[in-house]
Amino acid sequence: QVHLVDSGGGLVQPGRSLRLSCAASGFTFNIYGMHWVRQAPGQGLEWLAVVSYDGSTTYYLDSVKGRFTISRDNSKNMVYLQMNYVRVEDTAIYYCAKGSASWKVIDYWGQGTLVTVSS
Amino acid sequence: DIRMTQSPSSLSASVGDRVTITCQASQDITDRLNWYQVKPGKPPQLLIYDASILHSGVPSRFSGRGSGTDFSLTINNLQPEDLATYFCQQFHNLPPFTFGPGTKVEI
Repeated sequence: QVHLVDSGGGLVQPGRSLRLSCAASGFTFNIYGMHWVRQAPGQGLEWLAVVSYDGSTTYYLDSVKGRFTISRDNSKNMVYLQMNYVRVEDTAIYYCAKGSASWKVIDYWGQGTLVTVSS
Repeated sequence: DIRMTQSPSSLSASVGDRVTITCQASQDITDRLNWYQVKPGKPPQLLIYDASILHSGVPSRFSGRGSGTDFSLTINNLQPEDLATYFCQQFHNLPPFTFGPGTKVEI
């Protein structure tokens, strides 16, 4: 079955960088788009970014465009979210998620990794 | 960007009740709408996609309907395990794929 394991979260100071990773298994990784979504404490879900099956196309939420970069390594079944110039408001649980046959529909989620931005 | 609203923001119901949550888009999104369930301390789970299609393994007491700008999620015969927050999400055209603010269901 689909298994997504998020990692890389932790405490980071404002303005610094952090890279989140997501290890995927249980499905043919290189034919599905992959997303990152976050949920701030006590808040709702916020879609952040998507990368196409082959890594050639990416889309971002405007508020993270230019600071966050989504990428994937199909040889390792991994997805990444490089977070630069982090802000206090980036504090959240970050979820890696798999796109369905329609890449826009998220059908499975990782367990999430907590990022806390604080000085 | 397309804005999503949901109502109510929270509700309290009893086991066996029928519960309906509504979601409205700021523009026509045809049937490009998903519903997700988020239980406390757990990652989201897809319930319904394309407004009305039940995701694999989701109990048949969940159903969705709507098109254009107005959508609804109905839970028939509410069960204790349905305690969760429910989010709608639009995926019309290109990203961002915005979520609604959520509806917390208490039992």
